[in-house]
Amino acid sequence: EAGVVQSPRYKIIEKKQPVAFWCNPISGHNTLYWYRQNLGQGPELLIRYENEEAVDDSQLPKDRFSAERLKGVDSTLKIQPAELGDSAVYLCASSSGQGYTFGSGTRLTVV
Amino acid sequence: RKEVEQDPGPFNVPEGATVAFNCTYSNSASQSFFWYRQDCRKEPKLLMSVYSSGNEDGRFTAQLNRASQYISLLIRDSKLSDSATYLCVVTRSGGSYIPTFGRGTSLIVHP
Repeated sequence: EAGVVQSPRYKIIEKKQPVAFWCNPISGHNTLYWYRQNLGQGPELLIRYENEEAVDDSQLPKDRFSAERLKGVDSTLKIQPAELGDSAVYLCASSSGQGYTFGSGTRLTVV
Repeated sequence: RKEVEQDPGPFNVPEGATVAFNCTYSNSASQSFFWYRQDCRKEPKLLMSVYSSGNEDGRFTAQLNRASQYISLLIRDSKLSDSATYLCVVTRSGGSYIPTFGRGTSLIVHP
């Protein structure tokens, strides 16, 4: 079974530039999560999707972050414009109700 | 008070030692509990679910104490390969099935 696939693995951008991350969840997993993990911290939820509907986005900084999950499968997370404090690992996870499977994450560095 | 709290450690133990981690949670309505393992620069991976009756998987034992609102992870006969960060995950329902991660406990097993 293919796992959760994320791309790119690494991204270095200058502040104020836009950046996008892509996630392909495990086939059949209706629930998709985007997390942000800072060094030495646990993952923090940004947004949760049930199929194509964002059911919890209270932690998403909506002034600069946006996400979509068209057709309830793949999802993209965008930051525009990026700030220095956005440097972190962005993790996508999917679930069918028994635990959460994570992708390998995108390590974002904003310089 | 954070919703899920863990001692970040590090716990530095010799091979063969027994080590235990605790994780406390604040929301009494929490329903599901997990331990995840995260290696350096890797994504979190499910180690085991935690049930009220307790559960064991080889050298690993997880327990839940609902009255005191904590979960524990016991590792017996520690191996060098057990060195990692152990994240506890608490999931609450009530309209949104949201997993919340602790910051993780770092374990270092030395020869």
